[in-house]
Amino acid sequence: DTEVTQTPKHLVMGMTNKKSLKCEQHMGHRAMYWYKQKAKKPPELMFVYSYEKLSINESVPSRFSPECPNSSLLNLHLHALQPEDSALYLCASSRGARTEAFFGQGTRLTVV
Amino acid sequence: ELKVEQNPLFLSMQEGKNYTIYCNYSTTSDRLYWYRQDPGKSLESLFVLLSNGAVKQEGRLMASLDTKARLSTLHITAAVHDLSATYFCAVDHGNTGKLIFGQGTTLQVKP
Repeated sequence: DTEVTQTPKHLVMGMTNKKSLKCEQHMGHRAMYWYKQKAKKPPELMFVYSYEKLSINESVPSRFSPECPNSSLLNLHLHALQPEDSALYLCASSRGARTEAFFGQGTRLTVV
Repeated sequence: ELKVEQNPLFLSMQEGKNYTIYCNYSTTSDRLYWYRQDPGKSLESLFVLLSNGAVKQEGRLMASLDTKARLSTLHITAAVHDLSATYFCAVDHGNTGKLIFGQGTTLQVKP
């Protein structure tokens, strides 16, 4: 299994909603990442988890709350988002922090 | 602050032609990655370049790394339509696992 699986694939949410994005990998990778990608832009790192501990938070607003319940799962909890948060949210994993990252298919998020 | 710059940002080429995409980065790094992204899709890993002088080839694509010049190239040989996509280079920022991506090069191969 060489996949990183993200659910849902598409999400439309209102500014007062609470929702969660889910990411799962079964490759035994110990580093997991959340990236945000706006249209026609490169991905930008949001969070890094290494051995289930948050190691990097790129000054992301608190309306985005990551969680790593175990080594295979990564969640991104969303609350009170703004329309400008609409983007493709990509999860990735790697064996370690300095090894090749494999990306999931992404969640296309629209905030209305 | 690490900056990664690609050029060109857009490339329209005929099938059968050769071309090179350049990726420059501003601070020392010994790890560079190339990814491909189709419209609305995720990132597919193409190459991992780990040392100075590294060269890797897969089909019509060849990537190289010159850490002294802080330059990587992605060379396309005899382009075909299926290679149409956006190509990103990404540099590992220190030992953090943080990838800094270039702006991306959108390649359009015309029949």
